[in-house]
Amino acid sequence: AQTVTQSQPEMSVQEAETVTLSCTYDTSESNYYLFWYKQPPSRQMILVIRQEAYKQQNATENRFSVNFQKAAKSFSLKISDSQLGDTAMYFCAFSDTGTASKLTFGTGTRLQVTL
Amino acid sequence: KAGVTQTPRYLIKTRGQQVTLSCSPISGHRSVSWYQQTPGQGLQFLFEYFSETQRNKGNFPGRFSGRQFSNSRSEMNVSTLELGDSALYLCASSDPSSFHEQYFGPGTRLTVT
Repeated sequence: AQTVTQSQPEMSVQEAETVTLSCTYDTSESNYYLFWYKQPPSRQMILVIRQEAYKQQNATENRFSVNFQKAAKSFSLKISDSQLGDTAMYFCAFSDTGTASKLTFGTGTRLQVTL
Repeated sequence: KAGVTQTPRYLIKTRGQQVTLSCSPISGHRSVSWYQQTPGQGLQFLFEYFSETQRNKGNFPGRFSGRQFSNSRSEMNVSTLELGDSALYLCASSDPSSFHEQYFGPGTRLTVT
């Protein structure tokens, strides 16, 4: 069974600064997908960024980028130029190619962006 | 395209009752997955339906069931409600060409008293 671990329950960053959220996972699969989801106070789960394991290049989406280290089974999210609207719970998630629509989530990191 | 919709948004039920939650996927999406979110257990996968068939199932008791209709809308049913079933129930839909990319609805907040 796959597991996803987020070791930082809470983090805080000042507006315009950069913050990195950590995620590690465990799997015996060779091909899989990794995701970061954002859940603001509205509870709407929003896909922030995704990474396919067979791609060595790290994914980027505007101010969001990942550092994917396959051998270390590490998948961190970097948020640049943090904005107040980035305040949310961030979940790291995993799915394998066999059951692609089944997501396994980490416990989440609560990010607070302050002035 | 309209997003994933879930009804009702809030629900209060009494222990022992049953409840049905509804999820309408994004137009063209044929896969619908359900998740339970609680403070204690976090986000857990319940089941997934594709083309009216359950394709994947999580580790939940048989009191939790679901179905999918020909228009891809899905319902989730919980029978004999327990206090521990109080949770945010999220559904997500995905396109057949990219099952791994799921789009979530706003959730149904179920409170069992």
